[in-house]
Amino acid sequence: AQSVSQHNHHVILSEAASLELGCNYSYGGTVNLFWYVQYPGQHLQLLLKYFSGDPLVKGIKGFEAEFIKSKFSFNLRKPSVQWSDTAEYFCAVNEGRDDKIIFGKGTRLHILP
Amino acid sequence: DTEVTQTPKHLVMGMTNKKSLKCEQHMGHRAMYWYKQKAKKPPELMFVYSYEKLSINESVPSRFSPECPNSSLLNLHLHALQPEDSALYLCASSRPDSGNYGYTFGSGTRLTVV
Repeated sequence: AQSVSQHNHHVILSEAASLELGCNYSYGGTVNLFWYVQYPGQHLQLLLKYFSGDPLVKGIKGFEAEFIKSKFSFNLRKPSVQWSDTAEYFCAVNEGRDDKIIFGKGTRLHILP
Repeated sequence: DTEVTQTPKHLVMGMTNKKSLKCEQHMGHRAMYWYKQKAKKPPELMFVYSYEKLSINESVPSRFSPECPNSSLLNLHLHALQPEDSALYLCASSRPDSGNYGYTFGSGTRLTVV
């Protein structure tokens, strides 16, 4: 069964710092990968997704992620974070053969102004 | 219309009550989902409907009963819930083969069972 691991449970950064959040998945076949963000008190929003093609995916709000198949990883990056990036970030995976998306445990990001 | 609308936003119910959560989308999505999210935890999949048929039930207790009356509506009927069922219930929708497109989530119903 597929699973998703997010190694950083809580990250605290200052504004303008660079960000990288780790995500690893377990399924060895074709996968579709996602990063979702949940701002305080708000619903989940899709940041970016990968399903094929260029392994470097650009999303909204300056975020990007790189799919490294050999490492089963899909890390999220942003070169310079803002206070408004404070949120919970979820990595998610879909095997590509059904409609089920499984979420990682999430990383709580806190940006200091 | 690019939204998934959930009602009510908040619900408090007793353990003997019967209530329903409602989810609506008009994006032409043919897959719809119920997720449960406890505080500081990731969303956990409960049910998946594909083309109005239940395709996945993640071993959810029978006190939760989903219904998909048509392609735009998804209900979750609640009966005899327990306090530990208190959570944020999220509805989502997607085009079929959702992995390629991702979900659109509603803002959720925050349920408290007393």
